[in-house]
Amino acid sequence: ETGVTQSPTHLIKTRGQQVTLRCSSQSGHNTVSWYQQALGQGPQFIFQYYREEENGRGNFPPRFSGLQFPNYSSELNVNALELDDSALYLCASSRERAYGETQYFGPGTRLLVL
Amino acid sequence: AQKITQTQPGMFVQEKEAVTLDCTYDTSDPSYGLFWYKQPSSGEMIFLIYQGSYDQQNATEGRYSLNFQKARKSANLVISASQLGDSAMYFCAMREENSGNTPLVFGKGTRLSVIA
Repeated sequence: ETGVTQSPTHLIKTRGQQVTLRCSSQSGHNTVSWYQQALGQGPQFIFQYYREEENGRGNFPPRFSGLQFPNYSSELNVNALELDDSALYLCASSRERAYGETQYFGPGTRLLVL
Repeated sequence: AQKITQTQPGMFVQEKEAVTLDCTYDTSDPSYGLFWYKQPSSGEMIFLIYQGSYDQQNATEGRYSLNFQKARKSANLVISASQLGDSAMYFCAMREENSGNTPLVFGKGTRLSVIA
């Protein structure tokens, strides 16, 4: 196991609602990245947090937002949920920026939007 | 822009045999890293192996090895002595490494089924 935890494991929401997903990074890691994985696809990068600041963002609308806390845990917030937001949301943690640094993933949160 | 292509949607292999999962990539960055992850049905992405673009030798981790052919832009994963527990989705990923800790770009994956 990686030491990266996510909660909740599963979630069902209706269109238009808001959701918050949580991630605790592995000990010693200060960077958290969030990915969305739709059914049958590879993960797509949403954004990354490094030392509590957003440090890069993929092609996702502003209704996807996040936070990183002083203990390096992180939240992903999605407002105005759409049916296409149904996916597996993965967070990954890693250490200080470095060549060859590996991202270690949590078990994911499965979100279903009805 | 970076791109990863995995052309095998599904593969079957007999238990104890070796199997090669294909991955080709495209990038204009001279410094990059290549990764393979395993995703069982539970959903967690499990890191398997890493190859840096400047590494002279192919990476190996236990039963996993990465066949890195830089001129062909390929980074195939070889699993030796397949086990039933190897049945899962396998994803090839890459990232640019000039500016450190950049996001991973993933392929669509290959589903490996190991047959007893």
